[in-house]
Amino acid sequence: AQSVTQPDIHITVSEGASLELRCNYSYGATPYLFWYVQSPGQGLQLLLKYFSGDTLVQGIKGFEAEFKRSQSSFNLRKPSVHWSDAAEYFCAVALSGGSYIPTFGRGTSLIVHP
Amino acid sequence: DGGITQSPKYLFRKEGQNVTLSCEQNLNHDAMYWYRQDPGQGLRLIYYSQIVNDFQKGDIAEGYSVSREKKESFPLTVTSAQKNPTAFYLCASSMGSSYNEQFFGPGTRLTVL
Repeated sequence: AQSVTQPDIHITVSEGASLELRCNYSYGATPYLFWYVQSPGQGLQLLLKYFSGDTLVQGIKGFEAEFKRSQSSFNLRKPSVHWSDAAEYFCAVALSGGSYIPTFGRGTSLIVHP
Repeated sequence: DGGITQSPKYLFRKEGQNVTLSCEQNLNHDAMYWYRQDPGQGLRLIYYSQIVNDFQKGDIAEGYSVSREKKESFPLTVTSAQKNPTAFYLCASSMGSSYNEQFFGPGTRLTVL
């Protein structure tokens, strides 16, 4: 069965510091990959997605993610974090050619210190 | 503006009562979904629908029911059979292919008193 792992439940960074949120998946084929952000009490918003081509994907709000097939990873990065980036971040994976229902990771809560 | 709406934002229910959560989208999306979110557990799929008048159970469908009579509407009923209904409920929609992202509503927080 497909699975998505976000190893870090919480991450704390200082404002202005760089950020990397980890996401690993287990699939046999190349999946479609997504990162979403959720502010407290709100719905999820798409940050970026990968489905083919360049393995480095640019998203909104200054985020980027890199697909590494050899490591089955799709880590989210930002060079300089702002206090408004404090939120819950979810990685999601969908199969190409199979069920389009995505599987979500459990999420990583980002805390930003001033 | 196109989007997906959920109502109400907050809902309180007495034990033993059924309650229906509304979800409407004007994005002309074929697929719609209901998720339940509990702290530390991510999103768990309750039901999903790919076309009108058709829907499938997700991972935690017991105690819930849905209908899809119109393309833009996908209401969720939380029945008295759901043992622990207090949670945050999210509705989403998408074009229905694997590479299409989901668009989420703002959520409904249900509290059972």
